[in-house]
Amino acid sequence: EVQLVESGGGLVQPGGSLRLSCAASGFTFSSYSMNWVRQAPGKGLEWVSYISSSSSTIYYADSVKGRFTISRDNAKNSLYLQMNSLRDEDTAVYYCARLSGGNDYWGQGTLVTVSS
Amino acid sequence: DIQMTQSPSTLSASVGDRVTITCRASQSISSWLAWYQQKPGKAPKLLIYKASSLESGVPSRFSGSGSGTEFTLTISSLQPDDFATYYCQQYNSGGTFGQGTKVEIK
Repeated sequence: EVQLVESGGGLVQPGGSLRLSCAASGFTFSSYSMNWVRQAPGKGLEWVSYISSSSSTIYYADSVKGRFTISRDNAKNSLYLQMNSLRDEDTAVYYCARLSGGNDYWGQGTLVTVSS
Repeated sequence: DIQMTQSPSTLSASVGDRVTITCRASQSISSWLAWYQQKPGKAPKLLIYKASSLESGVPSRFSGSGSGTEFTLTISSLQPDDFATYYCQQYNSGGTFGQGTKVEIK
């Protein structure tokens, strides 16, 4: 069974940092590209970042470019999102998702709250 | 960046209605488009990928069409379980989403 489990969310002050993790199981993690997607309370889905299976190709949304860094460790079946210089508008549920055709499997999400 | 414009933002319909949602890309994305259904408090569910391919396990009343910059999602006969919010997403470059269409009961 494919499973994606996010962790690392929480309350952080503006300007702070947080590192999200996504533990993958039930499939060959190293064969798939992955995405981070977020959803602010009551708002729509916002794509955040993409990483290819080998980490050779990485994309970011303009809203997080220069502040967030996506990475993966295929030996540990894990995906990461390092978030620096956090702003109020980064408050959201953050999902990791496997890309196969579309994003066919999603985690349950982890809530990041940026507030003083 | 590729922008995705989805319409309408809200749609009121009845059980049994045929429903169509449109998504327009700011530049050609070939057929690299997916459609998702999301219910409150849940992760999105993939319905359609590569513009017109039905994800395994998704009812055949859902269909997608289009290529280039214009795409549509059609629900042939709306069922009670289909009242939800629908999103398109391009994955030609990055993964921009449309702003969503809430399908509500008329």
